Amino acid sequence: AQSVSQHNHHVILSEAASLELGCNYSYGGTVNLFWYVQYPGQHLQLLLKYFSGDPLVKGIKGFEAEFIKSKFSFNLRKPSVQWSDTAEYFCAVTPRMGYSSASKIIFGSGTRLSIRP
Amino acid sequence: EAQVTQNPRYLITVTGKKLTVTCSQNMNHEYMSWYRQDPGLGLRQIYYSMNVEVTDKGDVPEGYKVSRKEKRNFPLILESPSPNQTSLYFCASSLGGREYNEQFFGPGTRLTVL
Repeated sequence: AQSVSQHNHHVILSEAASLELGCNYSYGGTVNLFWYVQYPGQHLQLLLKYFSGDPLVKGIKGFEAEFIKSKFSFNLRKPSVQWSDTAEYFCAVTPRMGYSSASKIIFGSGTRLSIRP
Repeated sequence: EAQVTQNPRYLITVTGKKLTVTCSQNMNHEYMSWYRQDPGLGLRQIYYSMNVEVTDKGDVPEGYKVSRKEKRNFPLILESPSPNQTSLYFCASSLGGREYNEQFFGPGTRLTVL
């Protein structure tokens, strides 16, 4: 079965530290990849997405992610975090299956990021 | 303003009392979906709809119903709620079509079933 794994459930960092959140998926075919962020008390918002092309994707607020096909990974990175990055981060995958690709999105269990001022 | 709205935002009810959570989007999106978010489990898809009158089950459809009579609305119906349906519910919409597009999420509905 298709699945998305986020191994870090809770990450605590100090401001200005570098961040890397892991995301691995299990699916043998072509996929679209996403990172969503959920700030406290708010709904999910898209951080960045990868469909094809350059495997290093830049998103909003200084975030980036690298798709490594051989490792089935799409890790999220930020060189220097801020207190305002405190949030929950979700990796998501959609298997690309033509017209029906919009029907199935699989989310990871999320990583809670806490930034110490 | 382009948005997805949900009502109510908070609901406390009792076992067996039918309820409906409404979802509406103003972006003319074809695709709409319902998720529940539970600690440690991320978001799990309940039902989705590719267009008007076209709905299908997601990963956790048991105990839920949906309908899509109009493009903008996609209500979630719990005919006989049970305590295990206590959760945070999100509605989302996207353009759909051949290429997957970003899903836009509503603000969430926190449901407690006693």
